Amino acid sequence: EVQLVQSGAEVKKPGESLKISCKGSGYSFTSYWIGWVRQMPGKGLEWMGIIYPGDSDTRYSPSFQGQVTISADKSISTAYLQWSSLKASDTAMYYCARTYSGYVPFDYWGQGTLVTVSS
Amino acid sequence: QSVLTQPPSVSGAPGQRVTISCTGSSSNIGAGYDVHWYQQLPGTAPKLLIYGNSNRPSGVPDRFSGSKSGTSASLAISGLQAEDEADYYCQSYDSSLSGSRVFGGGTKLTVL
Repeated sequence: EVQLVQSGAEVKKPGESLKISCKGSGYSFTSYWIGWVRQMPGKGLEWMGIIYPGDSDTRYSPSFQGQVTISADKSISTAYLQWSSLKASDTAMYYCARTYSGYVPFDYWGQGTLVTVSS
Repeated sequence: QSVLTQPPSVSGAPGQRVTISCTGSSSNIGAGYDVHWYQQLPGTAPKLLIYGNSNRPSGVPDRFSGSKSGTSASLAISGLQAEDEADYYCQSYDSSLSGSRVFGGGTKLTVL
């Protein structure tokens, strides 16, 4: 069974760093892209970026380039999304999702990680 | 402002048929890229509902159907049921933004 299991909810202060994770199982982790999607409170889905764990090829949405870093450790089938200095506006639910290529959909999603940034 | 445009809300009575539109441009839907639809029930992660414009994953009822024409796509839900009340998102690929997947702003379906 394909599963994407994300790390738990986080509460952080502005300026702090954070790295959240997404562990894949039940499939060949290095053969699928993992994307990250932001959903701010009461708002829609926003595509942030995507990584191919097989060779770490990474693409970012222009809206998120330079704001976050996406990485992966294929030895433990885990992708990451990290911030070096959080802002209150980073408060959101973050989902990881799997896709085979650029033109096909995200077929499996993680359960989401809620990140709250507040002083 | 989302690259793909959806109506913020639609509603219908049980048993009725509703449609949700998704309008793009020549760099995404109009360029021939497929449109996919996701259903997000309250408090849950999105779930793939329609892929490749009109295909249903295993387990999705045939009450849900999708179509695409030109720079737009549509999701139709027939025989509306209370459990269909959710947010619906369209998604495609955009050639003007390297590697970019793009989502619609989402449509809230209310079952009256």
